[in-house]
Amino acid sequence: QSVLTQPPSVSGAPGQRVTMSCSGSDSNIGTGFDVHWYQQLPGTPPKLLIYGNNNRPSGVPDRFSGSRSGTSASLAITGLQAEDEADYYCQSYDTTVRSSVFGSGTKVTVL
Amino acid sequence: EVQLVESGGGLVQPGRSLRLSCAASGFTFDDYAMHWVRQAPGKGLEWVSSITWNSGSMDYADSVKGRFTISRDNAKNSLYLQMNSLRAEDTALYYCVKDISTYDGSGSYFDYWGQGTLVIVSS
Repeated sequence: QSVLTQPPSVSGAPGQRVTMSCSGSDSNIGTGFDVHWYQQLPGTPPKLLIYGNNNRPSGVPDRFSGSRSGTSASLAITGLQAEDEADYYCQSYDTTVRSSVFGSGTKVTVL
Repeated sequence: EVQLVESGGGLVQPGRSLRLSCAASGFTFDDYAMHWVRQAPGKGLEWVSSITWNSGSMDYADSVKGRFTISRDNAKNSLYLQMNSLRAEDTALYYCVKDISTYDGSGSYFDYWGQGTLVIVSS
């Protein structure tokens, strides 16, 4: 049971906009801890996609954007492309377990 | 280029031990905290353990506390995970992961990941 809850899957046609949520609580996101996002392409290790809620590392397309509000965070992909088909994980810090925690992961399917 | 190369995985019987290693290169190893994160087959990511830049502090997930020990050798640019009393539920791909900061904690996130080493615990 993950501390951060994500929808198991989202899908969209090429060019569409998709969003996925990362739902936490007052012991993690709600406390104000930053949320970070990782993309895991099939058969590869995770890659940092968004850090500090809404910042993109160098090389990450601006089609990816993040936001945080209250006890939740969201990742949006605009102009969905076939290469975006992957698993996406959110990550933050939790004061109850006193460690980094990951979301349950969302699989993005490009129709 | 940052590289993290894990080794030491394999098939091991329940109750036995295994030691994972991670060779780091391409960055100043002793400037950063390091972590182990695992992923069971077909499952999500689980943070396992972390160690600060100078080995001053180590943290563990409750699921491995008392059984796993993280360590590092800054002279060898290497990270380790000693895993004792292994259980079937420890079966996973274990990633060596670099923190963006010297210390682990509330500000931690992970900018580089190794390819992982697979641990299978089975009789």
